[in-house]
Amino acid sequence: KNEVEQSPQNLTAQEGEFITINCSYSVGISALHWLQQHPGGGIVSLFMLSSGKKKHGRLIATINIQEKHSSLHITASHPRDSAVYICAVLLRPNTDKLIFGTGTRLQVFP
Amino acid sequence: EAQVTQNPRYLITVTGKKLTVTCSQNMNHEYMSWYRQDPGLGLRQIYYSMNVEVTDKGDVPEGYKVSRKEKRNFPLILESPSPNQTSLYFCASSPWTGTYGYTFGSGTRLTVV
Repeated sequence: KNEVEQSPQNLTAQEGEFITINCSYSVGISALHWLQQHPGGGIVSLFMLSSGKKKHGRLIATINIQEKHSSLHITASHPRDSAVYICAVLLRPNTDKLIFGTGTRLQVFP
Repeated sequence: EAQVTQNPRYLITVTGKKLTVTCSQNMNHEYMSWYRQDPGLGLRQIYYSMNVEVTDKGDVPEGYKVSRKEKRNFPLILESPSPNQTSLYFCASSPWTGTYGYTFGSGTRLTVV
């Protein structure tokens, strides 16, 4: 079993829909990252979370440390949001190892 | 412009021929790291460095070497490449460990034949 699981693996949506991508992990962590990988391959950091909730534009990320679960929400989705979204966890302090989920491929159609 | 620069972008090489993929950042970041990305396996960490002369193994360090002689540079060395090292490689940096966001390089697509 992978230490970081994402769901769904693939997601299609119509423009304007509310999107949720989930990430569950089974290890102790000090932080969780959400990344976006564009169709061209470039990777961008979206959020770093250690507790609670963060918002940036139409993107919202939440984390529940007790349940070992995080969600990434996209409100009013747009075709330019089409990308692979990757969850990554930074293992507990005293190590800087990063473990990744296998990603969620999102396609938003006009 | 703040960036992480990887070179080359594409490389085809033969088994056993030593190669180096360079990574340089201009943001004075303490933390740098290398990852490989493979279909079905996603991203996996190879090595990371918290500071000059400090490096540590990630999940898949076998077959790779790194060095951090200067803060800005973190080259990835394949002493004797093998076909199972064919992959897409990314370098990334962060101000300090992983409690900040990462800046990623554009990637290096390596094919070992």
